[in-house]
Amino acid sequence: GNSVTQMEGPVTLSEEAFLTINCTYTATGYPSLFWYVQYPGEGLQLLLKATKADDKGSNKGFEATYRKETTSFHLEKGSVQVSDSAVYFCALSDQGNQFYFGTGTSLTVIP
Amino acid sequence: KAGVTQTPRYLIKTRGQQVTLSCSPISGHRSVSWYQQTPGQGLQFLFEYFSETQRNKGNFPGRFSGRQFSNSRSEMNVSTLELGDSALYLCASSLVPGTQREQYFGPGTRLTVL
Repeated sequence: GNSVTQMEGPVTLSEEAFLTINCTYTATGYPSLFWYVQYPGEGLQLLLKATKADDKGSNKGFEATYRKETTSFHLEKGSVQVSDSAVYFCALSDQGNQFYFGTGTSLTVIP
Repeated sequence: KAGVTQTPRYLIKTRGQQVTLSCSPISGHRSVSWYQQTPGQGLQFLFEYFSETQRNKGNFPGRFSGRQFSNSRSEMNVSTLELGDSALYLCASSLVPGTQREQYFGPGTRLTVL
């Protein structure tokens, strides 16, 4: 079946550090891949997406590339800010539009 | 364009009671999905509705039910509440299902069962 595995947290970084959150997936067919972010007390917000192999999604300095050969969609940001502190979820959507989420990775950025 | 709205934002109930949560999707969105989020289990899919019909259902007991109205608004109901039902319930909408379009989430309803 379909599933998403993302790196365990929590992750703590200093401001301006480089961020990588690993995400790998298992899916039949050709899923779309997403990163969502959840700030405290809020719902999930779409951060970026990629719909086919080798697509790169980007938003607010975050990037992720759809790698079919390694079934991965790692999230990266070159220089994190305190305001990036949140929980990040990797997700896939299959042809039936059912979503599968990873367990979430908590990020704390300290000044 | 207004986002997904969920009411109420917070609820406190006691075991054995029932509860109804409401979700209004983004205008023009016709697909609504519900998720339960807990610290231990993460995000778990409850069900999805489109055109007033349930399209997909997650692995939850029959105490969890839902429906969708002709204006795409959706409700979910939990009967005979248990302590373990305490969670953040998230609603998400998308234009239509089956097209791998992104989902947009509401702020959630925080349910506490005492």
